[in-house]
Amino acid sequence: GAGVSQSPSNKVTEKGKDVELRCDPISGHTALYWYRQSLGQGLEFLIYFQGNSAPDKSGLPSDRFSAERTGGSVSTLTIQRTQQEDSAVYLCASSFIGGENTEAFFGQGTRLTVV
Amino acid sequence: DAKTTQPNSMESNEEEPVHLPCNHSTISGTDYIHWYRQLPSQGPEYVIHGLTSNVNNRMASLAIAEDRKSSTLILHRATLRDAAVYYCILRTNAGGTSYGKLTFGQGTILTVHP
Repeated sequence: GAGVSQSPSNKVTEKGKDVELRCDPISGHTALYWYRQSLGQGLEFLIYFQGNSAPDKSGLPSDRFSAERTGGSVSTLTIQRTQQEDSAVYLCASSFIGGENTEAFFGQGTRLTVV
Repeated sequence: DAKTTQPNSMESNEEEPVHLPCNHSTISGTDYIHWYRQLPSQGPEYVIHGLTSNVNNRMASLAIAEDRKSSTLILHRATLRDAAVYYCILRTNAGGTSYGKLTFGQGTILTVHP
């Protein structure tokens, strides 16, 4: 596809269930980012990948959150035992690293609602 | 991560120029200055970036102070569609764990009046 694709676009889950959010970055982009945005708030950095490795996981809120990236492409953000405070829009972005063409492209996000 | 400081909000009238300031006094020599904006109910979108020289593109201009401790995003003629949150971000081009990292602050909420 031409842009960053996230799925699902909306997810409603019961408290305590696990959820997986998927991000398909733009082909060839080495950097991949995950953010979350609660209603009316700014973007909270979660984690980013250089290739398949994550040099900075400092933004993950708790050990219930994990992310992986395989083949330098698709990434999955997993939230275990979801809580109501996990409700937010989860945004993924990708970019090249280095050089001049380093603009990041964002997906439309996954709106997660924990009931 | 090097920090940026922006005003919480600004207002403009349609078809007038808008100058959005950003302070980044702790910028390092390998940090690029990036600007993104987020329209209501959308993901952020790239606006412009620069290192030392002023930059122009179809969306905006970026004026960078000679000492690089501040920059200004210039929208030459604001439209209603420019109403958004504007983020100024420093992105390092050096190696290490912060290489390529993008960290968003609170940004400036721009309101454009008809």
